[in-house]
Amino acid sequence: LAKTTQPISMDSYEGQEVNITCSHNNIATNDYITWYQQFPSQGPRFIIQGYKTKVTNEVASLFIPADRKSSTLSLPRVSLSDTAVYYCLVGDIGSGAGSYQLTFGKGTKLSVIP
Amino acid sequence: EAQVTQNPRYLITVTGKKLTVTCSQNMNHEYMSWYRQDPGLGLRQIYYSMNVEVTDKGDVPEGYKVSRKEKRNFPLILESPSPNQTSLYFCASSPGLAGGRTETQYFGPGTRLLVL
Repeated sequence: LAKTTQPISMDSYEGQEVNITCSHNNIATNDYITWYQQFPSQGPRFIIQGYKTKVTNEVASLFIPADRKSSTLSLPRVSLSDTAVYYCLVGDIGSGAGSYQLTFGKGTKLSVIP
Repeated sequence: EAQVTQNPRYLITVTGKKLTVTCSQNMNHEYMSWYRQDPGLGLRQIYYSMNVEVTDKGDVPEGYKVSRKEKRNFPLILESPSPNQTSLYFCASSPGLAGGRTETQYFGPGTRLLVL
């Protein structure tokens, strides 16, 4: 199983761009990289998913280098409401070739400061 | 509305008293999973199910049982709860194989369990 490593916490001021990097050195060929956001006492919520290069949606961007051993979640112009824990997840439950067991890391607690 | 529901949301019990936390999804998802969340440890997978009658262990299965007799339901059973099972529990579902290449999981609201 691909294990992930993220910084435990990060602080940022409102309006700044935040980049959170996740290391996954033993990512498998069929694994996708998915990021989730979790607010206190709520279930995690899907943010973005990618396989390689760059993916962008209305919420965030995900940068994945060619070797796929890491990925960076980029949140543009954060606001106070972006204060949450962000999880990087590596796994494969769609292709039929993966292990189906998904492992979340400990997440990165982002605190946005006014 | 597409959702994952869990019941109860809050539960206080005593050591050794069997309990069941229900989980239901209305999205016809094949993949369902249970997680527990503890301070400083993040989310840890307890059990998962690829489809009806197919279940497997996650990272921390000890002390838990699950069943998947119907596609929409995936109850978590604690046969003899102990204080170290005090935690916040989340159920999640995903399209899995039927939905194509995705690990997007939809999480329930959580069940906060206290075992005295």
